Amino acid sequence: TQLLEQSPQFLSIQEGENLTVYCNSSSVFSSLQWYRQEPGEGPVLLVTVVTGGEVKKLKRLTFQFGDARKDSSLHITAAQPGDTGLYLCAGVGGSQGNLIFGKGTKLSVKP
Amino acid sequence: DAGITQSPRHKVTETGTPVTLRCHQTENHRYMYWYRQDPGHGLRLIHYSYGVKDTDKGEVSDGYSVSRSKTEDFLLTLESATSSQTSVYFCAISAAGGPSDTQYFGPGTRLTVL
Repeated sequence: TQLLEQSPQFLSIQEGENLTVYCNSSSVFSSLQWYRQEPGEGPVLLVTVVTGGEVKKLKRLTFQFGDARKDSSLHITAAQPGDTGLYLCAGVGGSQGNLIFGKGTKLSVKP
Repeated sequence: DAGITQSPRHKVTETGTPVTLRCHQTENHRYMYWYRQDPGHGLRLIHYSYGVKDTDKGEVSDGYSVSRSKTEDFLLTLESATSSQTSVYFCAISAAGGPSDTQYFGPGTRLTVL
């Protein structure tokens, strides 16, 4: 079974700090997705990375897909309280080729 | 925002009671999914549908059944609810179901089984 391990599980930082969240696996994925989920809501897709070594930027968020397509990272520059939420990575896996999710990183950004 | 609604949004029920959760979409997307989200486990796929009357099991399907009689509706039924089924349930939809296809999630249903 393919697994996606996310670290850290919890992260509490002050506004303005930088942070990196990691998503690792021993398996190769054809693509990885990053979602953000706010309390009481469903996850919302932020980005999909497809090519090994790919870097995508979304304002202050930078996503990187590892060269071997086994890992990905999310870097947030100058975090703001609005970045608070649960960050999930997901990749196609499982017996039916459906999306499997990491357990998430819960980020809290304090003003 | 994708047009996905879930009902009810909250439900408290007793062990052994049947429960049906509804997911309704206005996007005419072909694929629909039911997930459960639990602390320490993340999101896990229960069942999914790739068309009207076409469904298949996911990772954690035991104790759950689904039905899809119309494109817009996907029902999840717990025939006899157990406390282990206390969870937050999310419905998702996607247009093509491919590995990079975007899944749009509903707002969730919080189910408590006493």
